Amino acid sequence: NAGVTQTPKFQVLKTGQSMTLQCAQDMNHEYMSWYRQDPGMGLRLIHYSVGAGITDQGEVPNGYNVSRSTTEDFPLRLLSAAPSQTSVYFCASSRGSEAFFGQGTRLTVV
Amino acid sequence: LAKTTQPISMDSYEGQEVNITCSHNNIATNDYITWYQQFPSQGPRFIIQGYKTKVTNEVASLFIPADRKSSTLSLPRVSLSDTAVYYCLVGALSNFGNEKLTFGTGTRLTIIP
Repeated sequence: NAGVTQTPKFQVLKTGQSMTLQCAQDMNHEYMSWYRQDPGMGLRLIHYSVGAGITDQGEVPNGYNVSRSTTEDFPLRLLSAAPSQTSVYFCASSRGSEAFFGQGTRLTVV
Repeated sequence: LAKTTQPISMDSYEGQEVNITCSHNNIATNDYITWYQQFPSQGPRFIIQGYKTKVTNEVASLFIPADRKSSTLSLPRVSLSDTAVYYCLVGALSNFGNEKLTFGTGTRLTIIP
């Protein structure tokens, strides 16, 4: 059972570069979301989706774009990376009471 | 979403029962209380959820008093593997689940051998 799979696990970017963090789930969950976690902090919601074709902003959406073309996939795009986006990124999917999180992507922007 | 307040850290010895209390004075009528556990370098993991009174599963118990302004996560006979950060979340459920989860800084629980 794969659950929620995030790739890559680690990434180093230069300021101004763009990249896409991938997230896939095999549980047929409608709801998916992206969070970032800075050192010693809780998770903060970036964007979320309640189904294919529907996305919305969370608490800290600036600098990030998302799309949801399928139920399974919910990629997060950084259009122009900045050092302030250095963080650990978690993708989650849920249906009902429980959210399932991926293992995270550790991103460093230099 | 209702704001929650938890102790920043707690220490306990192996084999003891650990109780972590969360305050949520502004909890709304349709809000549920959910606890997550996070190990280093991993995503949070759902532990337990409740609305009122007591909920128990194979991992923990959740005690919620009648006024619902606080809740207590109880971990029986902890082991070293219970060392983690524990988050208390409060929010309403919808057809899609507990979306827009709001995580505070959590309680860092350290189990001492």
